[in-house]
Amino acid sequence: EAAVTQSPRNKVTVTGGNVTLSCRQTNSHNYMYWYRQDTGHGLRLIHYSYGAGNLQIGDVPDGYKATRTTQEDFFLLLELASPSQTSLYFCASSETTNTEVFFGKGTRLTVV
Amino acid sequence: GDSVTQTEGQVTVSESKSLIINCTYSATSIGYPNLFWYVRYPGEGLQLLLKVITAGQKGSSRGFEATYNKEATSFHLQKASVQESDSAVYYCALSRSNYNVLYFGSGTKLTVEP
Repeated sequence: EAAVTQSPRNKVTVTGGNVTLSCRQTNSHNYMYWYRQDTGHGLRLIHYSYGAGNLQIGDVPDGYKATRTTQEDFFLLLELASPSQTSLYFCASSETTNTEVFFGKGTRLTVV
Repeated sequence: GDSVTQTEGQVTVSESKSLIINCTYSATSIGYPNLFWYVRYPGEGLQLLLKVITAGQKGSSRGFEATYNKEATSFHLQKASVQESDSAVYYCALSRSNYNVLYFGSGTKLTVEP
């Protein structure tokens, strides 16, 4: 089974702070994704990538940058964190189109 | 764009009773989307429960079933007899072929009481 590992699992930062969320998948999947999940909303797509060095903009990208440094690693960067970015973040990966998407356990970020 | 609606935020069912969680979708692009149910147990990531990619067909897994109804644009999740271990959050989702991007409903938290 594909493994998607997120770190840290929990993070508290201050408004204006700089935060990096990490994601690693060990099955050499081509596609990786960052979603955020808030109460009353489903998971919403922030950014995604179809390979190392590639980045695609999702549906809620404002305030976020992302970088896919290798096939395995996908990072989400918040350079000036705001309380509105307090959320549960999920990373996911899939091999290609029409294949199963595998999710990490999530990172709970609190911006105070 | 495409969207998914789950009307129940929380559902409580007694063990061994039947369950239905409603899901409707709006697909504005040409063609029929793929439809999914994902489940998230406490402290875990989302797991695929079942998927159906052909309109009119039924998917099933672990006693759960869902039928892709293109006329009603629905994909309701059903189970005849729930167990305490089914307590989790259930998400309905759809995808197009483009990069396997998923669009989720807001989730339904199921609590099964003994």
